[in-house]
Amino acid sequence: SAVISQKPSRDICQRGTSLTIQCQVDSQVTMMFWYRQQPGQSLTLIATANQGSEATYESGFVIDKFPISRPNLTFSTLTVSNMSPEDSSIYLCSVDQGAYEQYFGPGTRLTVT
Amino acid sequence: AQRVTQPEKLLSVFKGAPVELKCNYSYSGSPELFWYVQYSRQRLQLLLRHISRESIKGFTADLNKGETSFHLKKPFAQEEDSAMYYCAPLPNFGNEKLTFGTGTRLTIIP
Repeated sequence: SAVISQKPSRDICQRGTSLTIQCQVDSQVTMMFWYRQQPGQSLTLIATANQGSEATYESGFVIDKFPISRPNLTFSTLTVSNMSPEDSSIYLCSVDQGAYEQYFGPGTRLTVT
Repeated sequence: AQRVTQPEKLLSVFKGAPVELKCNYSYSGSPELFWYVQYSRQRLQLLLRHISRESIKGFTADLNKGETSFHLKKPFAQEEDSAMYYCAPLPNFGNEKLTFGTGTRLTIIP
């Protein structure tokens, strides 16, 4: 299975600022996903990041708020822009390594004050 | 709307007792279904999937198309089973996007 790392593991940010979260995979993967897990809630898919094309966003998520980069098959970034306290969440990246099974990173715990 | 329901947010079971974590889905067709687990201080990981029909860590899950359920079961709970469990249907093959249930926090009482 893929080894996935995320940076930072946690951060405390002021409202109005932006944070970029990095996701690194130790092997080449076609599909990467970004999820949000708000306190006490389940995982919600933000977008699918494919290399060489624009990310595909789910309903309720827009590129201006959550811009995503996917420069190669092992790396992706998610930026949380113009943050508000409602953006306080755990942000997870995952990869599909085939057979529709997803492997998850450790998550980034974001607190917005 | 397509949905997945895990009716119990919290479930406490004595060690050695049977465990059943419920999952109901409302997808048409033949979805593939997964159970993911998150142990304390660990990342979310795949526990088992319907198509493999395996028993993982003593857990099994049977797809009941009539009841549209995919309940997770274990005959004898162990303390290390304490974790957060998520049911995750894949609506159809060719669509890689999982939808996660709200999760059930299982606590095994020693």
